[in-house]
Amino acid sequence: NAGVTQTPKFRVLKTGQSMTLLCAQDMNHEYMYWYRQDPGMGLRLIHYSVGEGTTAKGEVPDGYNVSRLKKQNFLLGLESAAPSQTSVYFCASSYIGTLHFGNGTRLTVT
Amino acid sequence: SQQGEEDPQALSIQEGENATMNCSYKTSINNLQWYRQNSGRGLVHLILIRSNEREKHSGRLRVTLDTSKKSSSLLITASRAADTASYFCATDAGSAAGNKLTFGGGTRVLVKP
Repeated sequence: NAGVTQTPKFRVLKTGQSMTLLCAQDMNHEYMYWYRQDPGMGLRLIHYSVGEGTTAKGEVPDGYNVSRLKKQNFLLGLESAAPSQTSVYFCASSYIGTLHFGNGTRLTVT
Repeated sequence: SQQGEEDPQALSIQEGENATMNCSYKTSINNLQWYRQNSGRGLVHLILIRSNEREKHSGRLRVTLDTSKKSSSLLITASRAADTASYFCATDAGSAAGNKLTFGGGTRVLVKP
């Protein structure tokens, strides 16, 4: 019973490079989310999805894009990474309001 | 912007003692939730309290909610070393789409054996 799986676990990028973070859930949840966690800031919502084929902006969407082509997958893309995007990224899914989180991707942009 | 603000930011106690942390928020909510995060891991849901509830228990956890003061508290009784973690409150404003949660900055709890 995997729950929410994030890949990769760690990544180092150079400024201007692009990458995609993958989130997969096996709980058949409709809702999925991408958060970033920075020291002292708690978690901030980047983008979310209320179902397959839908996406919406959260609190801090600039510099990120997302896609939800399949219900179980939610992809977060960085087209041109910046040092300000150094953070830990968490994916979560939910069905009735409580969130199930993956273990995060630690991204460093140099 | 953060909806929930936890207090204190850090807490150090001896095993067996109780740990209390508080959360204040700014706008009306549908429910408030508490999560735990162990170092290097994702958040794990602990307990949810709805806006029409005042107190809720789950094992050694007790949560209170005062909507008039826009505040909540989490009490961990008889703490154990395994309770060492960061604890976050999260508010659900009840938006029509997405059950979006807004998280506070967290309280780091250290339980010394």
